[in-house]
Amino acid sequence: EDQVTQSPEALRLQEGESSSLNCSYTVSGLRGLFWYRQDPGKGPEFLFTLYSAGEEKEKERLKATLTKKESFLHITAPKPEDSATYLCAVPLEGANNLFFGTGTRLTVIP
Amino acid sequence: NAGVMQNPRHLVRRRGQEARLRCSPMKGHSHVYWYRQLPEEGLKFMVYLQKENIIDESGMPKERFSAEFPKEGPSILRIQQVVRGDSAAYFCASSPSGQAYGYTFGSGTRLTVV
Repeated sequence: EDQVTQSPEALRLQEGESSSLNCSYTVSGLRGLFWYRQDPGKGPEFLFTLYSAGEEKEKERLKATLTKKESFLHITAPKPEDSATYLCAVPLEGANNLFFGTGTRLTVIP
Repeated sequence: NAGVMQNPRHLVRRRGQEARLRCSPMKGHSHVYWYRQLPEEGLKFMVYLQKENIIDESGMPKERFSAEFPKEGPSILRIQQVVRGDSAAYFCASSPSGQAYGYTFGSGTRLTVV
């Protein structure tokens, strides 16, 4: 059965304290792994797409990496404005929609 | 270039009433997707539409829910005879092609059934 699991569910960091969020997946024929950021009361905002193991992408303090079984979202020296829920998602084989994990709720304390 | 527009932002309905949620895709996008986010749960796919066609409704409950995307005007998600369990945030996304990348989400409609 296709699955996307994110951990931890919640993460509290001090400002400047780097950490990583995990997204593990079990889907056949991966056609990309997507990271989104969601602020309270808003829709998900696209961050990255990764297509093959070993691929990395960066945006400001965020870096996403992909292996054959999981993806990591590394947050370097986070700031309070990085506080949000981070979602990962994969397209299911033969489908045109995304299967989302339940997210990691990140809080960065000043 | 306006993003994906959803309205209303908040909708309160009594049990048994109908809820109509509207979504206007980004300019140039002809593919619309509806997702539902229940409290403490992830986003769940409901339906994928192109203009005047339902392409995939595998995530849509079989009863009371329907969706359309007419030639002119926004996409509509209709929920008839709402129940408390329908309370959720409903998000619409659009893309220029039928691929999973390129999704742009709207800010959602928060439906509360009282």
